[in-house]
Amino acid sequence: AIQLTQSPSSLSASVGDRITISCRASQDIGSALAWYQQKPGKAPILLIYDASNLERGVPSRFSGSGSGTDFTLTITSLQPEDFASYYCQQFNTYPYDFGQGTKLDIK
Amino acid sequence: QVQLVQSGAEVKRPGASVKVSCKTSGFTFTAYYIHWVRQAPGQGLEWMGRLSPKSGGTTTAQKFQGRVTLTRDTSIGTAYLELSGLTSDDTATYYCARRETYSFGYDYWGQGTLVTVSS
Repeated sequence: AIQLTQSPSSLSASVGDRITISCRASQDIGSALAWYQQKPGKAPILLIYDASNLERGVPSRFSGSGSGTDFTLTITSLQPEDFASYYCQQFNTYPYDFGQGTKLDIK
Repeated sequence: QVQLVQSGAEVKRPGASVKVSCKTSGFTFTAYYIHWVRQAPGQGLEWMGRLSPKSGGTTTAQKFQGRVTLTRDTSIGTAYLELSGLTSDDTATYYCARRETYSFGYDYWGQGTLVTVSS
């Protein structure tokens, strides 16, 4: 199975900050990666699909980049509603596992 | 509008089985894959398997093979997850999610179904 390693596992930041979250795959997955945001008690929301495509309706302060084994989610100018957990997921090979998650909270 | 509406919370005894439904609307059920993901309390997301509503074909994570059955009823646009041999480790919120064939991401999710396994 392909392992996804997210870093950091937790992150404290302030409104207006720019943050990046990394997701590293144990083998080449091309662009078969998605990023989700999840708030407590809610289902995840798709932010980025195919590694770098912004899902419709998602604010443009979210962006994704990378291919192969190294991927990044960037949020520019953090807003109060962005404090949540974030997960990457690979779609190259079954099982379509997730990274362990990154919890973003307010500094 | 696209909706995936899951069945309500369940409480089960160890060793029992549970069947969770995912009723879809607002799109052509047979044109998308339905995947199942679970999340134990305070933990991350865990992929369980996927169903092709068109063919009925399934793929299940090795961890769950022999315990998970994925089925569908195309006449009512509903997918089902059945999990047998429940233990306390299966206490989790179970989600269904939709995936477009050539897109890497789940664009719509069900609201989740909490399954509690307790004696």
